[in-house]
Amino acid sequence: SQTIHQWPATLVQPVGSPLSLECTVEGTSNPNLYWYRQAAGRGLQLLFYSVGIGQISSEVPQNLSASRPQDRQFILSSKKLLLSDSGFYLCAASEGGDDSYGYTFGSGTRLTVV
Amino acid sequence: RKEVEQDPGPFNVPEGATVAFNCTYSNSASQSFFWYRQDCRKEPKLLMSVYSSGNEDGRFTAQLNRASQYISLLIRDSKLSDSATYLCVVIPFTNAGKSTFGDGTTLTVKP
Repeated sequence: SQTIHQWPATLVQPVGSPLSLECTVEGTSNPNLYWYRQAAGRGLQLLFYSVGIGQISSEVPQNLSASRPQDRQFILSSKKLLLSDSGFYLCAASEGGDDSYGYTFGSGTRLTVV
Repeated sequence: RKEVEQDPGPFNVPEGATVAFNCTYSNSASQSFFWYRQDCRKEPKLLMSVYSSGNEDGRFTAQLNRASQYISLLIRDSKLSDSATYLCVVIPFTNAGKSTFGDGTTLTVKP
């Protein structure tokens, strides 16, 4: 089974600072990769997904971007954080690129923009 | 109308109670269905898959009703440790990036 590594666990950043969150996957090849954001007490908001190296689909317009430089590495970035970027960021993967079997989530990064 | 809808609750039940959650979906071309459990300030974790024939795992039973387009989760003999938010997810046949998570139902089991 696959394992998702995500770091850091918590992050406090000032408004206007850059952001880089990394997610790596073990135990599978060619996963579909996802970045979700969850506001306090709310549901999951899909931000980006990727079906392969260099292939990124964005679900919402925002000041965030994502990249997939390697098969099992997914990075979420921002050049200048906004207060509204605060939230719980979760990386998820589906095994072998088939979502039919569900997803495994990383342990998440709790971002507070101050 | 949302693609996937769940009653947000909260459901407050005593220990030992039986509680059921429903999750309705609008896309009839949906293929796979799951229930996830999310503890406070933690990541969602897969609880169980949902099949038309039903799926039982100990005190938990999941069911799919394709005709009425909903899935259900039944928890028998509730434990304090069952307190969490339960998310349903619906995955279509052409699935990359097309899954929809419900917003979750919060369960609190009280002594």
